[in-house]
Amino acid sequence: KAGVTQTPRYLIKTRGQQVTLSCSPISGHRSVSWYQQTPGQGLQFLFEYFSETQRNKGNFPGRFSGRQFSNSRSEMNVSTLELGDSALYLCASSYMTGLYGYTFGSGTRLTVV
Amino acid sequence: GNSVTQMEGPVTLSEEAFLTINCTYTATGYPSLFWYVQYPGEGLQLLLKATKADDKGSNKGFEATYRKETTSFHLEKGSVQVSDSAVYFCALLAAGNKLTFGGGTRVLVKP
Repeated sequence: KAGVTQTPRYLIKTRGQQVTLSCSPISGHRSVSWYQQTPGQGLQFLFEYFSETQRNKGNFPGRFSGRQFSNSRSEMNVSTLELGDSALYLCASSYMTGLYGYTFGSGTRLTVV
Repeated sequence: GNSVTQMEGPVTLSEEAFLTINCTYTATGYPSLFWYVQYPGEGLQLLLKATKADDKGSNKGFEATYRKETTSFHLEKGSVQVSDSAVYFCALLAAGNKLTFGGGTRVLVKP
């Protein structure tokens, strides 16, 4: 079966712009989580959605937001981009909870210039 | 809060050598523990997991045992291959359904 699909793979944006990243989970998976990966901070949890509701949120500013659609696809949005937002953004899906292990996508590499 | 500490790399080994990556954690309650692996240019792949004390997770020759008394989940493999070169992440899942990751350990296996 198809894995977790993230689009686009690469993005270059300018400071102050906004960006939307997309994630299609494995069919049947209802939980979608987002993580930010940077060399300095490592992997940090952004938020988790389950059945179109944000179930958990990490310690990121309000510029970071997300949503989940009825087909479980998810998007995350970052407004007013800063240089420090340059990172690999990973989406992960699971059936109900992460207890069974998350399946990660290949990520979207965002570069802010 | 929850935290995971793992040994810093890089760890450089020869093929067929024994690999150990140490991982210790701090958490409230009874977390589940995971090892994920990341190959260059890719996302994370679940390598193995353990959900309660004394559980042993195993996959592809890798093993790790959930030790509650020492709050550890060390990863081991008896004979590594060049294809095992990657970054390995120890992680815990506690209340709130979010993974807390260690900093990652880069492993380089030379032929």
